[in-house]
Amino acid sequence: DAKTTQPPSMDCAEGRAANLPCNHSTISGNEYVYWYRQIHSQGPQYIIHGLKNNETNEMASLIITEDRKSSTLILPHATLRDTAVYYCIVRVPPSQNFVFGPGTRLSVLP
Amino acid sequence: NAGVTQTPKFRVLKTGQSMTLLCAQDMNHEYMYWYRQDPGMGLRLIHYSVGEGTTAKGEVPDGYNVSRLKKQNFLLGLESAAPSQTSVYFCASRENGNSPLHFGNGTRLTVT
Repeated sequence: DAKTTQPPSMDCAEGRAANLPCNHSTISGNEYVYWYRQIHSQGPQYIIHGLKNNETNEMASLIITEDRKSSTLILPHATLRDTAVYYCIVRVPPSQNFVFGPGTRLSVLP
Repeated sequence: NAGVTQTPKFRVLKTGQSMTLLCAQDMNHEYMYWYRQDPGMGLRLIHYSVGEGTTAKGEVPDGYNVSRLKKQNFLLGLESAAPSQTSVYFCASRENGNSPLHFGNGTRLTVT
């Protein structure tokens, strides 16, 4: 079972920041949060992951609340090419499975 | 670095035929995975491997076999294909510990 909850869909205007929320209220202390996206039927693309500190890379920023029960993926300047399904995943050790739920379908609108 | 490469990209099989899907990674990753994705559904784990010579079952292993004879390759076999195995198959690998998965571009399989 997925340990995360995401809204099924969101819209964002091109050029604006896209903020995608994820709830993981049962997360434990050593479980990381991972974000992926899948554009059309391509393979899922890794975006970012983190444990408790905020993280940033060339694609996005990950903000994790202090209690770690939720996080937000931020795409700072969304483009049409960011239209995709975004998955928030918490892997529960010792399981090796990364459970992909339905994700959030982000539509970036011109 | 090619990353994770899957072959073939497309295949059509008749019911009862067999085939092998090949996944190759050039990142020296320890862990390798096979997922399937059906329309409107998320990815489901078929089998995985935590190192050369090891394999383990995932959520939906029935009808599939796997082998990891070399660290860089992970093979997924269908001994007797069924229409229910029509799907897109994704291979992924990761280094170890809490490192993330890296996916290939998929194999689209149709069983008629």
